[in-house]
Amino acid sequence: GAVVSQHPSRVICKSGTSVKIECRSLDFQATTMFWYRQFPKQSLMLMATSNEGSKATYEQGVEKDKFLINHASLTLSTLTVTSAHPEDSSFYICSAGTYEQYFGPGTRLTVT
Amino acid sequence: QKEVEQDPGPLSVPEGAIVSLNCTYSNSAFQYFMWYRQYSRKGPELLMYTYSSGNKEDGRFTAQVDKSSKYISLFIRDSQPSDSATYLCAMSQGNDKIIFGKGTRLHILP
Repeated sequence: GAVVSQHPSRVICKSGTSVKIECRSLDFQATTMFWYRQFPKQSLMLMATSNEGSKATYEQGVEKDKFLINHASLTLSTLTVTSAHPEDSSFYICSAGTYEQYFGPGTRLTVT
Repeated sequence: QKEVEQDPGPLSVPEGAIVSLNCTYSNSAFQYFMWYRQYSRKGPELLMYTYSSGNKEDGRFTAQVDKSSKYISLFIRDSQPSDSATYLCAMSQGNDKIIFGKGTRLHILP
């Protein structure tokens, strides 16, 4: 299957700082990528749809100014958590694909 | 009614047993059906992908889709302890966002 990578796999930051997470499709081009967050023992929650060359589409309740998404190329989307707070601590996962979606390994964010 | 319903479990079965995991859905427009396996602290791994109704087999895994009943299943034969994970069903109408079930936690007992 297709391969999606994420970087970093784990990050710890202080409250008030910003963190950037990268999502790359390694062996295919992706005009659309998706960003999810997942709390322990919970299912995936779609945050936004990242569209190459245009603005991201955010799900209801997700603050677009807090979770900045940039999809500058067909293989890279980035999610920046701005002014992070402890409640932003979560597991962030991206996916890419056409009809079937392939997921990255996830990024565990801890805000202290 | 939620778009996708999935029993969260946990489901515990002895090693070697056949496992049956199921989801129901309400949106008849769904055409693409997937099953993912997720280990703790890892991203979901695509196991099976099916378009429209029918069966698909891959090794010990069989996926079934019954669009008339809006019901999909994943069967795991000869279950192994390494199959212990959370299994998520997912579906979509096409090249757009996927709707996930909440996931079923499966424990295979040695």
